[in-house]
Amino acid sequence: EVQLVESGGGLVQPGGSLRLSCAASGFTFSSYWMSWVRQAPGKGLEWVANIKQDGSEKYYVDSVKGRFTISRDNAKNSLYLQMNSLRAEDTAVYYCARESPATASAFDYWGQGTLVTVSS
Amino acid sequence: DIQLTQSPSFLSASVGDRVTITCRASQGISSYLAWYQQKPGKAPKLLIYAASTLQSGVPSRFSGSGSGTEFTLTISSLQPEDFATYYCQQLNSYPLYTFGQGTKLEIK
Repeated sequence: EVQLVESGGGLVQPGGSLRLSCAASGFTFSSYWMSWVRQAPGKGLEWVANIKQDGSEKYYVDSVKGRFTISRDNAKNSLYLQMNSLRAEDTAVYYCARESPATASAFDYWGQGTLVTVSS
Repeated sequence: DIQLTQSPSFLSASVGDRVTITCRASQGISSYLAWYQQKPGKAPKLLIYAASTLQSGVPSRFSGSGSGTEFTLTISSLQPEDFATYYCQQLNSYPLYTFGQGTKLEIK
C-alpha cells in the first residue's frame, strides 16, 4: 500500500525556518517525481515545488523561490522541504504528493498533510 | 503562466442531480488536465486525468471532457458522499503546475 506521511510542521515566527519531511512507503520512491502542495486555511490548493527522481531537477512556484528548497534522499525514501525566511502568507497545510506517469503526471497519492503556522 | 478559472465557485444541488463544473485555461493545454475531489480535513483525491480518463476506483458517475481551453467535470447522479470541493489542475506546463480556485459543491 502506498503511503506518504508528512511531519515537521508547527508554529514558527516570521523570518524563521522549518524543515518538512515526507516518508514514503509501498512503492519505489526513486522512480517518481515528487511534489509539495500547500493549502492556506480556507483557501485552495497551490503547487509549491517538485523534484525529479534523482534530484537533478527542481522547480518552484515564484512566491517561494529563493526561500524554500526541495530535496530528497532516495536511500531513506524521504522527501524534504526546507523553508526559510517564512512569512505569514506561508501559513498552510503542506502536502507531499506523488506524480505518476501512469496518470499523465497527475498526483495519484497524497499524504495527510502537516500544518505550518507562521505567527509571532 | 497558465491560469485556470473554475465556474461556478459554489454550487448547491440535491442528491440525484446531474451537475457540471467548468474549468477554463488562459491558454491551450491540450488534454493535460486533472480533476481532484477534496473533503474537509482530508487530502485531495485524484478523480480524472488526461481530461477524461477515470482514475482507478473512481465511480463511473464521474466523467470529464474537453481539450484546449475548456474542460468539464460532470457527476451524473449526485450521491451524498459527493458533496465536497473540486479542483482542476493543469499539467501542460510540466513540470510546473497550477490549480483552479476550486468549486464547493453543497447540499441544497
